[in-house]
Amino acid sequence: EIVLTQSPATLSLSPGERATLSCRASQSVGRDYFAWHQQKPGQPPTLLIYGTYRRPIGIPDRFSGSGSGTDFTLTISRLEPEDFAIYFCHQYDMSPTTFGQGTKVEIK
Amino acid sequence: VQLQESGPGLVKPSETLSLTCTVSDYFIISSHYWGWIRQAPGKGLEWIGSISHSGSTLYNPSLKSRVTISVDTSKNQFSLKVNSVTAADTAVYYCVDTGSNALGAADWGQGILVTVSS
Repeated sequence: EIVLTQSPATLSLSPGERATLSCRASQSVGRDYFAWHQQKPGQPPTLLIYGTYRRPIGIPDRFSGSGSGTDFTLTISRLEPEDFAIYFCHQYDMSPTTFGQGTKVEIK
Repeated sequence: VQLQESGPGLVKPSETLSLTCTVSDYFIISSHYWGWIRQAPGKGLEWIGSISHSGSTLYNPSLKSRVTISVDTSKNQFSLKVNSVTAADTAVYYCVDTGSNALGAADWGQGILVTVSS
C-alpha cells in the first residue's frame, strides 16, 4: 500500500501567517487522485482539496494545493482563526486508499 | 449529500459491530460509491471499504476477512458489519460519499463512536 508521510507533525503559527504543509508518498500518485482534508476538534473531516489543487464549492481561495509524483503541498496563504486544525493528506489512486498521519496547525 | 451513522455505541469483544448510514438529499441508486472510514482515538484515518450503488465492493485487505458492506437502495442506506471485534476496533466510524471514485471521500457523516468492551 502507498504510505503517506506528512511533515511537520505540528506547525505553530500566528493568525495572518502563511502555512506550508507537506506530504510525501512512498510511490508515485496520480495528480487526479490526491486530496487534503481538514479536521477540527470533535468534528468529522471535511474535504479541502481534491485532484491535487481543486477546491470544492465553499472552500476559500487562501487554501491551495500543488505537487506531483511523490511530493504534494498544501498552502494556507494567510491563516484565519478557524484554520487552526489538523490536516490529512489522502491518496485515492491505488487500493487501499490511504491517509497521512496528519499535521496539526496550532496557534503560536 | 447528508450522511448519518447509526448503531450501537458499545459492542462486546468477539461480537459483531453493525452500523447503518442513512443518505439524505441524494439517491444512492443514482451513482457514486459509498464507504466507511474509521479513526481510533487520537489516531489517523483508516479506510475500511466501499460499495457501489449496484453492490460491488472493495475492502481494505487488512480488514477484509472480517468486514461486510451492503447497500439497501429501497431505504437509501448502506451498512457495515465487522465480525469478531476486539478493543483495537474501538474507533469513530464515519460513512462517506466517495464521489465518482470508489476510493475517494467527498462528503463525511458526523461519525459514531463505537467502543469494544465487556
